[in-house]
Amino acid sequence: SQQGEEDPQALSIQEGENATMNCSYKTSINNLQWYRQNSGRGLVHLILIRSNEREKHSGRLRVTLDTSKKSSSLLITASRAADTASYFCATDRGGAQKLVFGQGTRLTINP
Amino acid sequence: NAGVTQTPKFQVLKTGQSMTLQCAQDMNHNSMYWYRQDPGMGLRLIYYSASEGTTDKGEVPNGYNVSRLNKREFSLRLESAAPSQTSVYFCASMGQGHTGELFFGEGSRLTVL
Repeated sequence: SQQGEEDPQALSIQEGENATMNCSYKTSINNLQWYRQNSGRGLVHLILIRSNEREKHSGRLRVTLDTSKKSSSLLITASRAADTASYFCATDRGGAQKLVFGQGTRLTINP
Repeated sequence: NAGVTQTPKFQVLKTGQSMTLQCAQDMNHNSMYWYRQDPGMGLRLIYYSASEGTTDKGEVPNGYNVSRLNKREFSLRLESAAPSQTSVYFCASMGQGHTGELFFGEGSRLTVL
């Protein structure tokens, strides 16, 4: 069964707007990661946030983690057409060797 | 630096045929993984290898076998392909000391008729 559940499943916004995606999970974790997948390509790691962190930034990306609610959000600010992709959260489910992925959010940035 | 390389990129099989997906990484990573990706299902772990000489089942191992040939290579074999195995397969690796970041190949698209 899937550990992470992304919300929404699809998101379409105008270039320049901010995009927010959410991820919920069910069991305790050591860390949570976000990945991007361009159409027809492999996944690329974006950012990792540990269970003892609440917020992390990387360029235009901002990730928050609320372990009490078992949820995380990924914010992409000032979106660009190149941000069009699917975004997945992944958790370690208590073990660093096995990542479990959610179903993903398909983000479309309209010019 | 090639990273993670998968072959073949595309393959069409008939039901009952066998085939092996090859994966190699040049980053000296200890752990390697095979995932499958189906529409609406995200990625599901088939098998993984935490180190050379060890393999373990993931979430959906039935119908598959794996071999960790050496530290660089991790192959996935379908002994008797079924239409339900039509999917995109991704190989990934994780380095020792990395806090769980996976590096992915570009995927192998398999169709079983």
